[in-house]
Amino acid sequence: KNQVEQSPQSLIILEGKNCTLQCNYTVSPFSNLRWYKQDTGRGPVSLTIMTFSENTKSNGRYTATLDADTKQSSLHITASQLSDSASYICVVSDRGSTLGRLYFGRGTQLTVWP
Amino acid sequence: EADIYQTPRYLVIGTGKKITLECSQTMGHDKMYWYQQDPGMELHLIHYSYGVNSTEKGDLSSESTVSRIRTEHFPLTLESARPSHTSQYLCASSSGQGGYEQYFGPGTRLTVT
Repeated sequence: KNQVEQSPQSLIILEGKNCTLQCNYTVSPFSNLRWYKQDTGRGPVSLTIMTFSENTKSNGRYTATLDADTKQSSLHITASQLSDSASYICVVSDRGSTLGRLYFGRGTQLTVWP
Repeated sequence: EADIYQTPRYLVIGTGKKITLECSQTMGHDKMYWYQQDPGMELHLIHYSYGVNSTEKGDLSSESTVSRIRTEHFPLTLESARPSHTSQYLCASSSGQGGYEQYFGPGTRLTVT
């Protein structure tokens, strides 16, 4: 069964600190992995997308890593800001359909305190 | 910012009422999707469309129906709302290129009393 598991479920950090969010998946055949940021009451917005051959990708203060062998990914946030408070969702796409089916994790709820 | 819109953003309605959630995109995308999301839970695909006159049911069973008469428009209808339909509904679209990147609308928060 195709699944995406994220940890921790929630995280509280102080402004300026770094943090790392984890994602494990069993989706096969693998196409790509995305990290989305979802603000409360809003739709998800893509932060990074990684294919099988990519190990690391950065987008400003966000750095995602992918280990396709162990089927694990992480999202590292550097020098956190209050505006980083949101749910971060790991999403994996398979190659098995023309629909571009996405498999969603439940997200990590990040709260940044001043 | 993606050019995909949903209305209304919030809706509180009584049991038994018929409702239509609107979704439109100006990107010319062929593929469109409806997801349902409860607090703290993952998104579940309830409907999708490959293009005009194409509609399919997703992974999560839903009593809602959809239509795709125009490329840019993908409304979702509930004939008789029930409290169990209370949820957030997210619409998305994709061109099918770029790794099937899906662009999401802001969502509709539906509460059925």
